[in-house]
Amino acid sequence: GQQLNQSPQSMFIQEGEDVSMNCTSSSIFNTWLWYKQDPGEGPVLLIALYKAGELTSNGRLTAQFGITRKDSFLNISASIPSDVGIYFCAGLRSGGKLIFGQGTELSVKP
Amino acid sequence: DTGVSQDPRHKITKRGQNVTFRCDPISEHNRLYWYRQTLGQGPEFLTYFQNEAQLEKSRLLSDRFSAERPKGSFSTLEIQRTEQGDSAMYLCASSPWTGGLNYGYTFGSGTRLTVV
Repeated sequence: GQQLNQSPQSMFIQEGEDVSMNCTSSSIFNTWLWYKQDPGEGPVLLIALYKAGELTSNGRLTAQFGITRKDSFLNISASIPSDVGIYFCAGLRSGGKLIFGQGTELSVKP
Repeated sequence: DTGVSQDPRHKITKRGQNVTFRCDPISEHNRLYWYRQTLGQGPEFLTYFQNEAQLEKSRLLSDRFSAERPKGSFSTLEIQRTEQGDSAMYLCASSPWTGGLNYGYTFGSGTRLTVV
């Protein structure tokens, strides 16, 4: 099925480092969402972006909606061990259907 | 707990058996969605309801799959004659739908299906 291209696939970082991941699409989305998923759980919404160029923060997380509406990035500053998990970007289609990326698996070394 | 609730959390079944999963959405949400997630992939859309009406079905939803939301509240997803390729996490989500903008899209914890 259709998916967004998310990179990197995995990251191994030291506690305290900053993290950056991004998501691209061949088609336009009017809403971008970033989710975090822990093992055996459903995705939890981190940030929602509704306007091209929008930059939104949620604590140590910052996300931007690309001007072309075909990409988005997520930054995590000063990572901590509980940031471990899989991060997904998702674009919102008509009817409320979400198209997800393949995920970025984040590992944080204390 | 006012989140999206899914039952069971885990299901192991033999190939060829039928299985049914239940989703209870957030009570004021009129939209309900089903997704399937396989290992190492993001969730993929299966189908969604607005109140009791099923408005869209993905081509991933073969004729062995059927979903219902009879009273516009909880929903069930049934898989008939299960195959090993049906092994996946089945996720339910709900959202309000007001004026075309979608807010508060919330996922449940999923049902992990293993077909042996």
